[in-house]
Amino acid sequence: EIVLTQSPGTLSLSPGEGATLSCRASQSVYRNFLAWYQQRPGQAPKLLIYAASNRAAGLPDRFSGRGSGTDFTLTISRLEPEDFAMYYCQQYGSSPRTFGQGTKLEIK
Amino acid sequence: EVQLEQSGAEVKKPGESLRISCKTSGYSFTSYWITWVRQMPGKGLEWMGTIAPRDSYTTYNPSFQGHVTFSVDKSVDTAYLQWSSLRASDTAIYYCARLPADNSGYAYFWGQGTLVTVS
Repeated sequence: EIVLTQSPGTLSLSPGEGATLSCRASQSVYRNFLAWYQQRPGQAPKLLIYAASNRAAGLPDRFSGRGSGTDFTLTISRLEPEDFAMYYCQQYGSSPRTFGQGTKLEIK
Repeated sequence: EVQLEQSGAEVKKPGESLRISCKTSGYSFTSYWITWVRQMPGKGLEWMGTIAPRDSYTTYNPSFQGHVTFSVDKSVDTAYLQWSSLRASDTAIYYCARLPADNSGYAYFWGQGTLVTVS
């Protein structure tokens, strides 16, 4: 089973700043099949990025994903108030699919 | 518009059985796999497994294998998650989600979640 470790656990930033979230895999993710999700309190997760760098339909280009192998990042530029939420990475290149433990992006 | 509408919150006792549902609309039900995801109180997301509505082919996370069962009813475009004997540790929010066209494993559309409380 691939273990995904997200860092930092909590990221405190101000609106307008940029954020970089990290996701490191315990072994190489097949074909870079890695996704990112956002979850706001009391809501279902929302797909942001798939295949490491592909934005979901309608996602603002402030969100970008990159990486390969075992190291992946989600970058959010010019943070908006609605961006402060939990973020999870998920690998779907091997079974069982696994999620990272999450990064909480909070307002400073 | 793709929609996944989940059944309402449930409160059960340990040892009881339960089936929760995920009613889909806005797309061809048999063309896209469904996945189930657990979120225990205050915790992260856990992939439970997937089911292919066309032929009910299922893949379970070993952590859940033998304790839960996925099923579908193609006549009503609905997927189900069921337990025959609930435990207190099953208390969680359960999400259904639809995979993309190539069934590659990431969850594109999500239901709103069903809170299951076992106490």
